Parts: sequence; structure tokens; C-alpha cells
Amino acid sequence: ELKVEQNPLFLSMQEGKNYTIYCNYSTTSDRLYWYRQDPGKSLESLFVLLSNGAVKQEGRLMASLDTKARLSTLHITAAVHDLSATYFCAVDKVPQGAQKLVFGQGTRLTINP
Amino acid sequence: EAGVAQSPRYKIIEKRQSVAFWCNPISGHATLYWYQQILGQGPKLLIQFQNNGVVDDSQLPKDRFSAERLKGVDSTLKIQPAKLEDSAVYLCASSLDRGLAGGRGTQYFGPGTRLLVL
Repeated sequence: ELKVEQNPLFLSMQEGKNYTIYCNYSTTSDRLYWYRQDPGKSLESLFVLLSNGAVKQEGRLMASLDTKARLSTLHITAAVHDLSATYFCAVDKVPQGAQKLVFGQGTRLTINP
Repeated sequence: EAGVAQSPRYKIIEKRQSVAFWCNPISGHATLYWYQQILGQGPKLLIQFQNNGVVDDSQLPKDRFSAERLKGVDSTLKIQPAKLEDSAVYLCASSLDRGLAGGRGTQYFGPGTRLLVL
């Protein structure tokens, strides 16, 4: 059974600092997705990582995937308050892709001025 | 482009009552998903439709939950009878493809229905 674990679950940081959220998963997959959720809102797609070594960047966020280590990272550069949200990674439990996603617990990120 | 629509947005019922949720996916999206998101957790996939056929319902509690997708477009999710532990946000999502044969499979989520069972 595929398990997806995020670390840390809670993160409070100062504006301007850098930090990384980790997403580990337990079985083989090369399809990983990152989503953002604001309080009381639905999920918004951030990144789609479809192969080993994939790296995607959007603004101050950068995501990468290492399928051999079964690890994805979401790196935040020079954080700003607008990035405060809960971030979820999700892994497709079917290696070749079928959108049968298993989500991590989420990382609640708070960025303080 | 209109997003995924869901109704109602909020529902409060007593245990053992029944409830139904409605979802209208993005036009042209063949795949539709229902998720349950309990407070403080990530979404859990309940059922996945491809057009009007069920692809995966392995995590759907079939003794009380049912879902259908009419004519491959709108979908309804029903709970009968509801239990206290069904209190959650029910999210509907749709995607153009399932990520097969080079597709990205990106899912687009609706605003959700927040259910409270008393």
C-alpha cells in the first residue's frame, strides 16, 4: 500500500528566508503532484512532475523529483506572506499514471512579516 | 473557462439521515473524481469515473455511499445513512486525461461541500 509522508507538518518562517518541504513515498511511482490549499478554499495545482530528475519552478517555488530515493522537495526562496497556505504532495499509485492519487498529510506554512 | 461547480456548499444533517452532493465538471473533462477531506488531513479518493464508467471505487464505503455520473457529465454522491465520522469536506475534481500516454493528468478541484453530521 502506497504511503505518502510530508515533513514538516507545520512550518512557521520569517519573510525573506528559504526553506524546503519534503515528500517521501513508499512504493515506486514517477508521477508526483504538488497542490496548494488556502484556508476554507479548494486545492490549486502547482506542479506536475512526471519523471525522475524533473524540476519545475514558478516564482519563489521550485519542485523536484527523485524517483530512486522516492522523494520530492518543494523549495521556497525568499518567502513572502502570500505564500502562507497548506501544501500537499500527491503520488499516483499506478506507476505509469492513472490519476489514482494518494495525498500526504499536508504542510501548513505560515510566513510572518 | 468555468471551473468545477459543486452544490450545496454547506450541509448540516443529523446522523442516520441521507444527503446528496452534486458536481458539474469542467466542460470536456472525461475524468471525474470525488474525494473526502477530513479536517487536518489530505484528500482521500473515494471514486473515479471515466466518462460514465467507474474506474476505481476501492475506497468508497459501499454500504452507505453511492455515486453516479449521468451521461458522462454531472455527478452525484450520496450518503445514506450518514454517520458522525462522515463529517468532512467532499471535493469534486475533473481532469482532461488520466495522465496516460503522455498526458499530464492535472486535476482541477471544485470549492467543495462542507458536511457536518450531528
